[in-house]
Amino acid sequence: DGGITQSPKYLFRKEGQNVTLSCEQNLNHDAMYWYRQDPGQGLRLIYYSQIVNDFQKGDIAEGYSVSREKKESFPLTVTSAQKNPTAFYLCASSTSRTGERDNEQFFGPGTRLTVL
Amino acid sequence: AQTVTQSQPEMSVQEAETVTLSCTYDTSESDYYLFWYKQPPSRQMILVIRQEAYKQQNATENRFSVNFQKAAKSFSLKISDSQLGDAAMYFCAYRRGGGGADGLTFGKGTHLIIQP
Repeated sequence: DGGITQSPKYLFRKEGQNVTLSCEQNLNHDAMYWYRQDPGQGLRLIYYSQIVNDFQKGDIAEGYSVSREKKESFPLTVTSAQKNPTAFYLCASSTSRTGERDNEQFFGPGTRLTVL
Repeated sequence: AQTVTQSQPEMSVQEAETVTLSCTYDTSESDYYLFWYKQPPSRQMILVIRQEAYKQQNATENRFSVNFQKAAKSFSLKISDSQLGDAAMYFCAYRRGGGGADGLTFGKGTHLIIQP
């Protein structure tokens, strides 16, 4: 089955430690995205990548880093510089072609990160 | 920068009745897409309906329909014959049109309660 996987579902880290969240897709999508969700805040864009070896900052990129070495994978690192890292993190992917039903973003199940 | 506003933090409706969720947005673009996503307690994001700005006809998907008022920058979601499974958070989202694959800008969401 095609889809997006995020692992782990729950992640706990001590304050000051970097942590990497995994996102893998087998939908053959060019574009991938990371969003953060806080209570009452909706989803906010952290980083996105339209093609391998290229990525752009979103609205709240400070304290985060990403890489896009493979089309299928877009890992997100939450660094110690992120002041409030505890949140729910969602990964998504889409095609990047212009078209009527293209560009729909498909979401993974999310990772709940808690920093103690 | 684009903004999306959902003014109803919570809505409640009796099962089988109709409910309308409000969304307004602000953009200087003429080509864009609008979306409604559903997030049930599992936190999986599910696309409910989408609207292309250049289309005057309102989108419809079974019991879900939108009222797209481009001049007023309004994009409301109507759910007819509400069912218990419709209970969830609903997010309105915006994406710039054209080629490429920009991220989505989300509203803060409306919590929909269905009363049996």
